[in-house]
Amino acid sequence: AQSVTQLGSHVSVSEGALVLLRCNYSSSVPPYLFWYVQYPNQGLQLLLKYTSAATLVKGINGFEAEFKKSETSFHLTKPSAHMSDAAEYFCAAILTGGGNKLTFGTGTQLKVEL
Amino acid sequence: IAGITQAPTSQILAAGRRMTLRCTQDMRHNAMYWYRQDLGLGLRLIHYSNTAGTTGKGEVPDGYSVSRANTDDFPLTLASAVPSQTSVYFCASRDREADTQYFGPGTRLTVL
Repeated sequence: AQSVTQLGSHVSVSEGALVLLRCNYSSSVPPYLFWYVQYPNQGLQLLLKYTSAATLVKGINGFEAEFKKSETSFHLTKPSAHMSDAAEYFCAAILTGGGNKLTFGTGTQLKVEL
Repeated sequence: IAGITQAPTSQILAAGRRMTLRCTQDMRHNAMYWYRQDLGLGLRLIHYSNTAGTTGKGEVPDGYSVSRANTDDFPLTLASAVPSQTSVYFCASRDREADTQYFGPGTRLTVL
């Protein structure tokens, strides 16, 4: 079955360290892929998206993600974490046969420590 | 207003009661969605509507109903609430040209 998997429900990094949040998809056809961020008690905000153009996608707040077809991955990175990056991050995909509906991963809670 | 609004912000409800969660968007998007968010499960699609007058079932539709009388509004109704419907509910609409969904601020519902 087609799905979106986020490895690691909780990730903790030091301020200034690299942020790496992992996302893999399971689909016979490369899907459209998205990363959303959710700050406490708020809705989801789009960080970036991949729609079959450039494989390296730059988003807001210094985040970027690289689509790797061979690895069926779309990992989210940021070179230097800031305290304000602490939030929950969701990877999502429009999968083949799903119409225009998003399928979400289970989310990764990012903690940034001093 | 700009974007998506949801009401109420939060609600505590007795089991068996009927409840309607409201969602309004002013972006003239055709497609709208209702999700529930539960710890460890991410967001799961309840119902969707591709255009006014049409609706469809998502991944977890049981116990919920929706209507889409016009482009702007997409209410979600719990006919007889049960404790397992305790969750945070998000409404979203889709910008077709950008192929992106935009989310409302959510409704936190507790069913006792």
